[in-house]
Amino acid sequence: GDSVTQMEGPVTLSEEAFLTINCTYTATGYPSLFWYVQYPGEGLQLLLKATKADDKGSNKGFEATYRKETTSFHLEKGSVQVSDSAVYFCALMNAGNNRKLIWGLGTSLAVNP
Amino acid sequence: GAGVSQSPSNKVTEKGKDVELRCDPISGHTALYWYRQSLGQGLEFLIYFQGNSAPDKSGLPSDRFSAERTGGSVSTLTIQRTQQEDSAVYLCASSLTSGRDTQYFGPGTRLTVL
Repeated sequence: GDSVTQMEGPVTLSEEAFLTINCTYTATGYPSLFWYVQYPGEGLQLLLKATKADDKGSNKGFEATYRKETTSFHLEKGSVQVSDSAVYFCALMNAGNNRKLIWGLGTSLAVNP
Repeated sequence: GAGVSQSPSNKVTEKGKDVELRCDPISGHTALYWYRQSLGQGLEFLIYFQGNSAPDKSGLPSDRFSAERTGGSVSTLTIQRTQQEDSAVYLCASSLTSGRDTQYFGPGTRLTVL
């Protein structure tokens, strides 16, 4: 079945450091790919998405490119801030699977000033 | 505009009791999803509604779990004879249609079974 694997955390960075959180997937067909973020004490929010190969999703300085050849959707940000401290979830949605989201386990990010 | 709302925000119950969790989706959203977030298991899909119908119940972990949706709006997830392993955060999400639309999540209900 479909699955998502993302790098384990926690990840601890200093402010202004470069961030990469790896995400790879296994799926039949052509899924859509998502990054959701959960800030402390808050609900899940969509961060960015990509619906087809080579699409780049971007938001709040974060980017991820849908790479079908490597089945990856790695999340990157050039300069993290303390306010980026959160848990990040990679997920896929497969149209042939009733559009439910299949999730990675989440990666906790802590950014220190 | 109003987002997805869920109630209660927290529920503590004793093993063996029944609980009902409520979800109010964004107005006009036809698709509604329930997920469960638990330590060590991550986020798991439970059930999906399109209108009042549930085409996919494949994630419900046992027959103690059931859900309904009325009027194409509010949904209730019921857990009968709760067990300690049911302790988790139950999340509801809605989307405009059942296509590739973004799912918007509520704040969740934290269920603790003693």
